[in-house]
Formats: sequence, C-alpha cells, structure tokens
Amino acid sequence: GAGVSQTPSNKVTEKGKYVELRCDPISGHTALYWYRQSLGQGPEFLIYFQGTGAADDSGLPNDRFFAVRPEGSVSTLKIQRTERGDSAVYLCASSLKSYNSPLHFGNGTRLTVT
Amino acid sequence: DQQVKQNSPSLSVQEGRISILNCDYTNSMFDYFLWYKKYPAEGPTFLISISSIKDKNEDGRFTVFLNKSAKHLSLHIVPSQPGDSAVYFCAAGDGSSNTGKLIFGQGTTLQVKP
Repeated sequence: GAGVSQTPSNKVTEKGKYVELRCDPISGHTALYWYRQSLGQGPEFLIYFQGTGAADDSGLPNDRFFAVRPEGSVSTLKIQRTERGDSAVYLCASSLKSYNSPLHFGNGTRLTVT
Repeated sequence: DQQVKQNSPSLSVQEGRISILNCDYTNSMFDYFLWYKKYPAEGPTFLISISSIKDKNEDGRFTVFLNKSAKHLSLHIVPSQPGDSAVYFCAAGDGSSNTGKLIFGQGTTLQVKP
C-alpha cells in the first residue's frame, strides 16, 4: 500500500522482555517519527530521523528505548526490559520534508506488557 | 508542561449544525498548526493546517482559525455529519527547530448525532 505500515499491529509481552516494533514509511519520505499514545492522551513525541540519523531523540523516556533506521527507510523501535508502564500505542509517522509538512501516521502497534 | 491544550474532552452536536473545536498553546515559537482526526484502531489522519502568517484556512467543510495574540486556534466543521464523529487532535510545530516535530493536544471526542 501507499501508506505508513507498522508491524505487528498488536504485541503482548511479559514484563522484563525485549520487543521490536517495525515501521515502513511512505516511499520517498526522508523524515520519520516515532510517537507514543497512552489512553486519553495525545501522541507524545519520542524520536525523529532525517535519513539514517536520529536528529532528535529528546522524547525517548530512558535508555531502555532505542530506535534505528539503518538504510534511511524502514525503522525499528526497540524496548529492553519492558515495564508495565510501557503499555501504549506506538505510532510511526513519515513526511516528505521536516518543516511545514504534515506527518502521515501508520495505524500503530498496541503494546501490552503483562 | 502541556504546551498544547484542548480543554474540552468531548463535544456533542446535531447533524447539520456547526462543530467548533478549540485549542490553546503556550509556546510563542510555534508557527505551524494542524488538526488531525482519529478513528478507533487507526492512526491520526491529517485534516487541515495553517501557518502563523495566516489567520484562516478553509478546505471544504473544514475551516481553521488562528488567533496569535490569544495563542488560540479553532476548527469549525459545517455542516457536521455523523461520519465526522471521531477524536480530533490539534498539533503545533516550531519551524526554527528544523525537526518538523509536532506537539499534540490531548484530543476532543466529537459525536455528531443523526
């Protein structure tokens, strides 16, 4: 399809486990963002990639969270030693340029940590 | 520190009437504003945007108004339709940051009754 694709759509994991969430942006979009949305809240910024590099990772809550985009297209968000408080919907978005350009979101990955 | 606020968690209007959703912001560096619509189990979908050099932008049934002195923006939907029932998020960006990162409000759930 032409939109942002995120897999898996749902992920249930046990506390302490490691998870990887994948994002496939719109072809040609150089800017890629990860957001996290908790119940009743708006999306909260985590990290921004321009090409392969993380240009702004100021939203990552702690060092258990890490993201990569090795070839400037697909990105993976990695969470180590998951905690119940990490349960949320993780949204990926891409845009054509990094200013005055709408973000196009995927449908998200719902992560549940038990 | 909530830089973008939507103080009304919900709004209910009759089909055919006007829906007005409000948003306030605190950061005077914001110069690009957007509205997104979100259905359950889907990612936010871009609706309409406005640059700080304008005070109004219109797209079909949707109009966004920006009052910079009051740091306030609003989305007008007229006439409202049952299919407009969704959660609406306002978002703001700071062009000087060169990241394209958007800060979102908490959302307002709109219900349009037939």
